[in-house]
Amino acid sequence: SQKIEQNSEALNIQEGKTATLTCNYTNYSPAYLQWYRQDPGRGPVFLLLIRENEKEKRKERLKVTFDTTLKQSLFHITASQPADSATYLCALDSSGGSYIPTFGRGTSLIVHP
Amino acid sequence: DGGITQSPKYLFRKEGQNVTLSCEQNLNHDAMYWYRQDPGQGLRLIYYSQIVNDFQKGDIAEGYSVSREKKESFPLTVTSAQKNPTAFYLCASARQGYRAGELFFGEGSRLTVL
Repeated sequence: SQKIEQNSEALNIQEGKTATLTCNYTNYSPAYLQWYRQDPGRGPVFLLLIRENEKEKRKERLKVTFDTTLKQSLFHITASQPADSATYLCALDSSGGSYIPTFGRGTSLIVHP
Repeated sequence: DGGITQSPKYLFRKEGQNVTLSCEQNLNHDAMYWYRQDPGQGLRLIYYSQIVNDFQKGDIAEGYSVSREKKESFPLTVTSAQKNPTAFYLCASARQGYRAGELFFGEGSRLTVL
C-alpha cells in the first residue's frame, strides 16, 4: 500500500542551528513533492515544490532535496528561529494525471531560543 | 485580497444532526478540496471538485456530501451517518490544469459533536 512517512516525534533544536526534516514514501511515483507549514489551529501554508527531475530547491533559508531512488525528501531550515516552530507537512501528487495531493502526518519542529 | 474563507470556525453539533460547513474562494480556481484532520493524523481527502457541477469522492467520503453549483463555493455537509465527525476540517483550492500547483487552504472549521 502507499505510504508517506514523516517522523512523528517532535524535532527540538537550538536557535541558529539547521533543522532537517524527512519525508519517506513507498509505492508512489510522484511527479513532484510539496512542503507545507501548519501552525496550531490554522490551515497549512505552501512553502516549496520540487519536481521529480530536480535534485534540490532553495528559497531564502529553506532547502528541499528530492531523491527518487531513495524515495525520500529532506527539508532544511538554516539559521532556525523560534518563529519557525510549527508542524511541517510533505505532500505527494498521486500519479495518473489528476492533481490529488496526499499528505503525510507532519513533523513538529520546536526551535528553542 | 484573494483568498479562501471557511465558516464557521467553531461548530458544535448534537448527535443525529446534519451540519454544513461553508467554503468560498475568490482566487478563480477551478479545483476545490475538502480534507479532514484528526490529532496526530495527516490530512485525509473527503471530496474534491475539478469543475463546476462535478465532484469526486476521496478516501473517506462516507457520511459526507458536497455540492459545486458555483465556481466560488464548495460547501460540505456532515451528515448524521458520519460516525465520528469531531475533527478539524480544511478546505483548499488550486488552479486546474496546472498539475503541480500549490494548494491554498482556508483557516479551517473545528466541528465538535456533543
